Amino acid sequence: EVVMTQSPATLSVSPGERATLSCRASQSVSSKIGWYQQKPGQAPRLLIYDASTRATGIPARFSGSGSGTEFTLTISSVQSEDFAVYYCQQYNKWPPWTFGQGTKVEIK
Amino acid sequence: QVQLVESGGGVVQPGRSLRLSCAASGFSFSAYGMHWVRQAPGKGLEWVAVIWYDGSNQNYADAVKGRFTISRDNSKNTLYLQMNSLRVDDTAVYFCARSPSVVLLGLSDFWGQGTLVTVSS
Repeated sequence: EVVMTQSPATLSVSPGERATLSCRASQSVSSKIGWYQQKPGQAPRLLIYDASTRATGIPARFSGSGSGTEFTLTISSVQSEDFAVYYCQQYNKWPPWTFGQGTKVEIK
Repeated sequence: QVQLVESGGGVVQPGRSLRLSCAASGFSFSAYGMHWVRQAPGKGLEWVAVIWYDGSNQNYADAVKGRFTISRDNSKNTLYLQMNSLRVDDTAVYFCARSPSVVLLGLSDFWGQGTLVTVSS
């Protein structure tokens, strides 16, 4: 099983600041990684797939990068609606497909 | 627009069974693989099971293998999860989710709002 480790667990940022979230895989997953946003009481929403491709309707302030075992999700200028929990997921080696434990982006 | 609506959750005693349903609309259901993903209270996401677009293949997480069965009825645009021998640690919100393509089988591009399953004596 591929273990996905996200850091930090909590990221405190002010609106308008840049946010950088990290995700590390226990073995190479090529570029087969997605990022999801989840707000309290809501379903996850797909933001990024194939490490760097934005899903339909996702604002350009969200970007993804990385390959192999190290990945990054960047929010260039955090908006009020971006405060949420973010999960990475690998879909290269399965079963099982595995998620990271999440990074909570909170208001500083 | 794509809609996925789960139902069937509730409170059940350990060892009992429950069947979840996920009604799909707004897309050609029979053309897409489908997942169940769960989230224990206050915890992260855990993939549970997948079924191919035509129901020809299924895969399960080790934690549920032999106890849960994923199935679908493409004539009713509905996905199911039969859960037997439920345990306390199966307590979670269960989401159904659509896989966008065969190439991106493990990804989920649309999710339902989830249904809560509580296993407690």
